[in-house]
Amino acid sequence: EAQVTQNPRYLITVTGKKLTVTCSQNMNHEYMSWYRQDPGLGLRQIYYSMNVEVTDKGDVPEGYKVSRKEKRNFPLILESPSPNQTSLYFCASSLWGGTGKVRGEKLFFGSGTQLSVL
Amino acid sequence: KNEVEQSPQNLTAQEGEFITINCSYSVGISALHWLQQHPGGGIVSLFMLSSGKKKHGRLIATINIQEKHSSLHITASHPRDSAVYICAVFISNFGNEKLTFGTGTRLTIIP
Repeated sequence: EAQVTQNPRYLITVTGKKLTVTCSQNMNHEYMSWYRQDPGLGLRQIYYSMNVEVTDKGDVPEGYKVSRKEKRNFPLILESPSPNQTSLYFCASSLWGGTGKVRGEKLFFGSGTQLSVL
Repeated sequence: KNEVEQSPQNLTAQEGEFITINCSYSVGISALHWLQQHPGGGIVSLFMLSSGKKKHGRLIATINIQEKHSSLHITASHPRDSAVYICAVFISNFGNEKLTFGTGTRLTIIP
């Protein structure tokens, strides 16, 4: 089954304790990305990757790191989490035809990670 | 001002009514997505548009690139259509493409 797998589903941690949220897709998608969703602010992009070893910042990258060593995996790393990073996080992936090319594919989202930083 | 504006923010309608949700954007885009998020949080991609119109069941999405506007229509609405509908656009930037979201439209269909 084509899917984006995101883990964990729920995570409670304390300020400063490094954590990683994993994201994996089985569709051979080039494009992968991370978002956070906050009440009143909606979804905002954190980082995205257009292929292996190619990553770029979204609108709210501060306090986050990503890596894309393999096509299927795109982990989100919080080196020193703070309470303002308490949020609902989503990973998503899509096929990518390249800049200027028509892309007929939808975005596929993971089921989300609810993170609480105390 | 947000680069992506949706209207209305909230919409309540009776079952069977025709629903229209609007999305306007202020920058050049390479593609536009309509997303659906039910209570409980999961996000489903409904359509990807770069031009014209697409239809899937009772859902129709249109885009006018010149006017920087897209609409999502739901015909014969049903209570199971109750969800938040989100417009998102890919903005090209020197070969990279960032995704920016509208704040969503909360739709409630009353039986």
